[in-house]
Amino acid sequence: GIQVEQSPPDLILQEGANSTLRCNFSDSVNNLQWFHQNPWGQLINLFYIPSGTKQNGRLSATTVATERYSLLYISSSQTTDSGVYFCAVGPNFGNEKLTFGTGTRLTIIP
Amino acid sequence: GAGVSQSPSNKVTEKGKDVELRCDPISGHTALYWYRQSLGQGLEFLIYFQGNSAPDKSGLPSDRFSAERTGGSVSTLTIQRTQQEDSAVYLCARGGTGANVLTFGAGSRLTVL
Repeated sequence: GIQVEQSPPDLILQEGANSTLRCNFSDSVNNLQWFHQNPWGQLINLFYIPSGTKQNGRLSATTVATERYSLLYISSSQTTDSGVYFCAVGPNFGNEKLTFGTGTRLTIIP
Repeated sequence: GAGVSQSPSNKVTEKGKDVELRCDPISGHTALYWYRQSLGQGLEFLIYFQGNSAPDKSGLPSDRFSAERTGGSVSTLTIQRTQQEDSAVYLCARGGTGANVLTFGAGSRLTVL
């Protein structure tokens, strides 16, 4: 199956800093999603981005499918950005067979 | 998450007991998924339901695990003869429309003593 690696595993930043989270995957994909899991465990979808670039407020994501990686950018970090960020990829356009990475744990210090 | 309700939120059980975990998505979403998240780990796919098709059970870790979906809506994940390694958060998700994203419930935290 597809292998998914996320880096860095842990990231501690001051409030206001910017960050870049990376997701590498081992095979071509037709589905790629970024999720944020808050400290209470709730998973929220951030982006559906199998290719290209999207932006939503302070967050943006870019997937370069031909080079098998995706980047999540967080600008002007806030304490509410803390949590674990997961990348999930799949070979199909649907959500079946999604493989999750082990995540990047982000801690924003006030 | 909005539209996906899971119960119980927490379950503590003794080794060897059976447990049932319930997921209630908004009706009309035909795709339903179960994942498992062990402490500090990513999500592990368990089973996938899509409409009236046979479920994809390829992620179930052993024959002690089973799941059903009644009436195309509510799903129950059953773990028989629980073991300590079954301790995890069990997450249910519904397949989205449009952007084809997953929407997760808040999860059921299972602790096997």
